[in-house]
Amino acid sequence: KQEVTQIPAALSVPEGENLVLNCSFTDSAIYNLQWFRQDPGKGLTSLLLIQSSQREQTSGRLNASLDKSSGRSTLYIAASQPGDSATYLCAVSKGGGTSYGKLTFGQGTILTVHP
Amino acid sequence: DTEVTQTPKHLVMGMTNKKSLKCEQHMGHRAMYWYKQKAKKPPELMFVYSYEKLSINESVPSRFSPECPNSSLLNLHLHALQPEDSALYLCASSQGTGTGGGNTIYFGEGSWLTVV
Repeated sequence: KQEVTQIPAALSVPEGENLVLNCSFTDSAIYNLQWFRQDPGKGLTSLLLIQSSQREQTSGRLNASLDKSSGRSTLYIAASQPGDSATYLCAVSKGGGTSYGKLTFGQGTILTVHP
Repeated sequence: DTEVTQTPKHLVMGMTNKKSLKCEQHMGHRAMYWYKQKAKKPPELMFVYSYEKLSINESVPSRFSPECPNSSLLNLHLHALQPEDSALYLCASSQGTGTGGGNTIYFGEGSWLTVV
């Protein structure tokens, strides 16, 4: 059974810092990995999707890497801002076709960026 | 436009009531999903619809009944729920079911359900 772990569980940083969120998964046979953010009481916003054949994806100040063989992904946030404060979730998909969409989520990292 | 719209945003229902949650997307996505999220927990998959057909039911109790009337709409019919079913119900969609490496899954804002 796939298990996804995110470290740290919570992180508080001053504005402007660069930071790294970690995600590890026990079964390396993944189809892809997605990073989401969730604001309190809200739905999930997709940040980045990395296919299993890819090593990294970038969007603005965000960069996500994937090392499938070691079962790890990192989300790098550059020059953090108070607006980045949210819970960050990573999720892995086992396969395509009819099993796609069955995401296994980590418990999330609660990020607080203070001015 | 990457929007998944869910209504209502909040719902309070008694254990004998029948209600429905609705989800709509106009992105031409052919896969739609229902997830359930309890407080301070990650989302858990309930149902997957692919091309308007139910492809995954994660052993969800029959008091939850999904329906996909067309490719843009997804409903979740609720009947005889229990207080422990109170949660945030999230609808999501993706263009396809992952052929070629994966399609981003887009989530709605969710419907907060309280069962009293």
